[in-house]
Amino acid sequence: DTGVSQNPRHKITKRGQNVTFRCDPISEHNRLYWYRQTLGQGPEFLTYFQNEAQLEKSRLLSDRFSAERPKGSFSTLEIQRTEQGDSAMYLCASSLVGGPPNEQFFGPGTRLTVL
Amino acid sequence: KQEVTQIPAALSVPEGENLVLNCSFTDSAIYNLQWFRQDPGKGLTSLLLIQSSQREQTSGRLNASLDKSSGRSTLYIAASQPGDSATYLCAVRGTGGFKTIFGAGTRLFVKA
Repeated sequence: DTGVSQNPRHKITKRGQNVTFRCDPISEHNRLYWYRQTLGQGPEFLTYFQNEAQLEKSRLLSDRFSAERPKGSFSTLEIQRTEQGDSAMYLCASSLVGGPPNEQFFGPGTRLTVL
Repeated sequence: KQEVTQIPAALSVPEGENLVLNCSFTDSAIYNLQWFRQDPGKGLTSLLLIQSSQREQTSGRLNASLDKSSGRSTLYIAASQPGDSATYLCAVRGTGGFKTIFGAGTRLFVKA
């Protein structure tokens, strides 16, 4: 499968716990994006990487959220001290610099439920 | 601040009907506009992407148009089928960075 993959697909956790999600972009895609989507809404931009550099970060990304892309390939999104308001679908997308025409391809998402 | 609005929020049509989904955006300084399809509980599937210099894109039964000056895009679906039932999302990327702003989507139901 050459698409964007995300793991885990579902995560249930208790309030106050830390969780980490992983995204594997399409091979050779050097841009990677994280979004959060709540029920009935469109995805909200969280952050963007070009290779290993985090170039843009939304104000939605509070201090409890951190994202990394250490080798410019896969990325992780960690949420510390989870709150019930963090319950959402977390989506990852990738695109290719100079690709026609910087089209974003999405993974299946990780659904987080905070009890 | 860019805002993206999609109308209608939900639409139910009989099979075979041609339909138009609307997307409007407040800032015309866009890099591109992309239409996606999302099935319940799933990720997004890219349908069409229109660069700011383009007026329309076509793929099969789908045609998307872009009018930057009026801040509007439409997605035309010809001869709708029950398999087209999904939520359709419009997303705009501005010229000042890589942040993409999504509309809330139009939930489409095509009745057999």
